Amino acid sequence: EAGVAQSPRYKIIEKRQSVAFWCNPISGHATLYWYQQILGQGPKLLIQFQNNGVVDDSQLPKDRFSAERLKGVDSTLKIQPAKLEDSAVYLCASSPLDRALTDTQYFGPGTRLTVL
Amino acid sequence: GENVEQHPSTLSVQEGDSAVIKCTYSDSASNYFPWYKQELGKRPQLIIDIRSNVGEKKDQRIAVTLNKTAKHFSLHITETQPEDSAVYFCAASIRTNAGKSTFGDGTTLTVKP
Repeated sequence: EAGVAQSPRYKIIEKRQSVAFWCNPISGHATLYWYQQILGQGPKLLIQFQNNGVVDDSQLPKDRFSAERLKGVDSTLKIQPAKLEDSAVYLCASSPLDRALTDTQYFGPGTRLTVL
Repeated sequence: GENVEQHPSTLSVQEGDSAVIKCTYSDSASNYFPWYKQELGKRPQLIIDIRSNVGEKKDQRIAVTLNKTAKHFSLHITETQPEDSAVYFCAASIRTNAGKSTFGDGTTLTVKP
């Protein structure tokens, strides 16, 4: 089974620039998560989709971050404009939604963003 | 919202010794508690999980215990090996049709040969 794919793996931008990250979840996984992981901290949920609907975006800084999951498969996360404090690893994860309500999240390799 | 605290932040043990990492959570509605291992530069990977209707679960050298009354759960690694060195994260979530997880800040485990 192919894992969660993310691109790019690394991105360096200057503050006030824009950046977009892409995630392709495991085939058939209904739930998709975007996390921000700052160095030395645990992953912090930014947004959670179930199919193409938003389940939770309470911690997403909506003045600068946006995310979409078209057709309930791939997802993009955008930051516009970026700030220095956005430097982090952005992790995408997916989980299946089956009769057992499996919660296991499968993480992608992450995108390391550096804002200068 | 849910708050998860994890201790200790760093842990160093000799190879062969046991390691214990503890987490507390705030939302009594949380009913699913996974543990993830993240090696340097790699993605978090699930190593064990426990649901609220179970008090203990074991998988070879790894075990997790849950005390719902006290709202804490622990990861136990026995006979530690150098390859166990990594950052370990606990998480707490409420199982619904799409469970949301809140993560602890991680424990850096170093196993010295």
